[in-house]
Amino acid sequence: DTAVSQTPKYLVTQMGNDKSIKCEQNLGHDTMYWYKQDSKKFLKIMFSYNNKELIINETVPNRFSPKSPDKAHLNLHINSLELGDSAVYFCASSRQGKVELFFGSGTQLSVL
Amino acid sequence: GENVEQHPSTLSVQEGDSAVIKCTYSDSASNYFPWYKQELGKGPQLIIDIRSNVGEKKDQRIAVTLNKTAKHFSLHITETQPEDSAVYFCAARGFGNEKLTFGTGTRLTIIP
Repeated sequence: DTAVSQTPKYLVTQMGNDKSIKCEQNLGHDTMYWYKQDSKKFLKIMFSYNNKELIINETVPNRFSPKSPDKAHLNLHINSLELGDSAVYFCASSRQGKVELFFGSGTQLSVL
Repeated sequence: GENVEQHPSTLSVQEGDSAVIKCTYSDSASNYFPWYKQELGKGPQLIIDIRSNVGEKKDQRIAVTLNKTAKHFSLHITETQPEDSAVYFCAARGFGNEKLTFGTGTRLTIIP
């Protein structure tokens, strides 16, 4: 299946821990994104990478660090997790020059 | 930066009736306006989009209208069906801007 896949689907962890979410796309896209969706369903962009280069970096705490080892992967590492980090995190991708975003199915992060 | 407002936040309609969701945007340079549908447990998926050089676009039961002067655009779903129940997001993007700004979402419920 051609898709954007992210793991894990659910992540439950204690405050203060460090965790990572992985994302891979096999669509041949050049640009990948991380979005955060809060409990009210508000979708906000966090980061965007184009061919492994950071092109969008919204006002996100520097506890969040994206890493793109190649253009098919964009991982999100979060240090010192806080209660307010609880949300659904979506990875997405798009082809350069095209505007349609293809989203993964999300990672529900719960910080206890 | 761009600000997108979306109304209503929740909408219930009888099966077979029409549903209308409205959005306004702030940046007059925005030129691309997509609508995404998010089903339960899934990522958002593009259902229709419109560019600023077009006033209306239709795809079977869904249509989008754009009023550039008033800076608002709307999604129209006719002959609604139970599978139309989902959260719908409007979004806007400016020319040469990689960032898509989403509205706050509308939870649409179709009552059988």
